[in-house]
Amino acid sequence: DAGVIQSPRHEVTEMGQEVTLRCKPISGHDYLFWYRQTMMRGLELLIYFNNNVPIDDSGMPEDRFSAKMPNASFSTLKIQPSEPRDSAVYFCASSQSGRGTYNEQFFGPGTRLTVL
Amino acid sequence: LAKTTQPISMDSYEGQEVNITCSHNNIATNDYITWYQQFPSQGPRFIIQGYKTKVTNEVASLFIPADRKSSTLSLPRVSLSDTAVYYCLVAPLSNTGKLIFGQGTTLQVKP
Repeated sequence: DAGVIQSPRHEVTEMGQEVTLRCKPISGHDYLFWYRQTMMRGLELLIYFNNNVPIDDSGMPEDRFSAKMPNASFSTLKIQPSEPRDSAVYFCASSQSGRGTYNEQFFGPGTRLTVL
Repeated sequence: LAKTTQPISMDSYEGQEVNITCSHNNIATNDYITWYQQFPSQGPRFIIQGYKTKVTNEVASLFIPADRKSSTLSLPRVSLSDTAVYYCLVAPLSNTGKLIFGQGTTLQVKP
């Protein structure tokens, strides 16, 4: 398996622009997680899905952030409008219920977002 | 979820054994202890998990005393490539819930 795939790997944009981050989870995994990592705040869970349905979005910082999972193999995290404080590395992770090692999430390589 | 406390940073030299201790005084009966490793510019990676006593795999060992209020991740004979951030997490066994990542311990292995 190719693992969790994220695109783009790097994104530089200007304040006010819309940013869309993409994630393809590992095939067969039914949980998908979006995290944000900064030096100041560490690794924060933003939202997670089960079977394409959002379960907990309490970590989403504000209404400028939205996430969708239209099918089992694709998810997006959108920021509109973007602000400099959104600059961070955004990770997508997936896991599989019922099999494998519990509490094991598989992380993608991340998208480094810079908002100027 | 139980709060964890671990050192911010540690230094070591190649070939040494490294032990990273994590405190989790409020661990619950159904909580397991899980460690993740994060290399620079990569996402975290699961390395080991345990409930009590000792667990060993090809990467590390995990020692958990009887009271389970702390745990120690042991990395045998570290190399430069073990330079990473190590996170201790405490949570019930689940593939469904939140994992709370603390600050982690930045391990710097020197030649």
